[in-house]
Amino acid sequence: ETGVTQSPTHLIKTRGQQVTLRCSSQSGHNTVSWYQQALGQGPQFIFQYYREEENGRGNFPPRFSGLQFPNYSSELNVNALELDDSALYLCASSLGFSGYNEQFFGPGTRLTVL
Amino acid sequence: KNEVEQSPQNLTAQEGEFITINCSYSVGISALHWLQQHPGGGIVSLFMLSSGKKKHGRLIATINIQEKHSSLHITASHPRDSAVYICAVSPNTDKLIFGTGTRLQVFP
Repeated sequence: ETGVTQSPTHLIKTRGQQVTLRCSSQSGHNTVSWYQQALGQGPQFIFQYYREEENGRGNFPPRFSGLQFPNYSSELNVNALELDDSALYLCASSLGFSGYNEQFFGPGTRLTVL
Repeated sequence: KNEVEQSPQNLTAQEGEFITINCSYSVGISALHWLQQHPGGGIVSLFMLSSGKKKHGRLIATINIQEKHSSLHITASHPRDSAVYICAVSPNTDKLIFGTGTRLQVFP
């Protein structure tokens, strides 16, 4: 059984650029959630995908967008990067979204915006 | 006020001590999660519970749904337990609401 993987591990971008982060869900999991964790803070929910459809969104602007593919892997895209976007981006996969499912986290992508 | 509050924010202990971390929440939930985050970022799920008590090795988690409160206990703490412990709740889906975490350092 393969765990949740994320790529890249680290990334440095400049303001105004665009970035794509990738997440491969655990085998058999059909739901992927993305979180942003600023330094010293708890993670904040960005959005969730269930079977290729967005299934809820947190308080993030439209320049944060995502995709989920037929194999349930997922991408997070951020356009027009701002300094405050510097954070650890975590994805988590689960089997469904009932609220009773354990979530399995990837190692995260650390994004630095200069 | 945050929907999930943890205390203490920072905790230091000597090896062997009994440790308690508390979590209070203000929303209705399906489940509460205790997570562990080591330096470098990776998060590991320790417990998911909806009622009562769970035990795994030296870790014990309890929840009181009526009081909207949960505790994580570590018995016979060890330096390898040093990490950030995060409480998170799932209101009615798997979209987690996180506390800000408790940074634990255990010294030999």
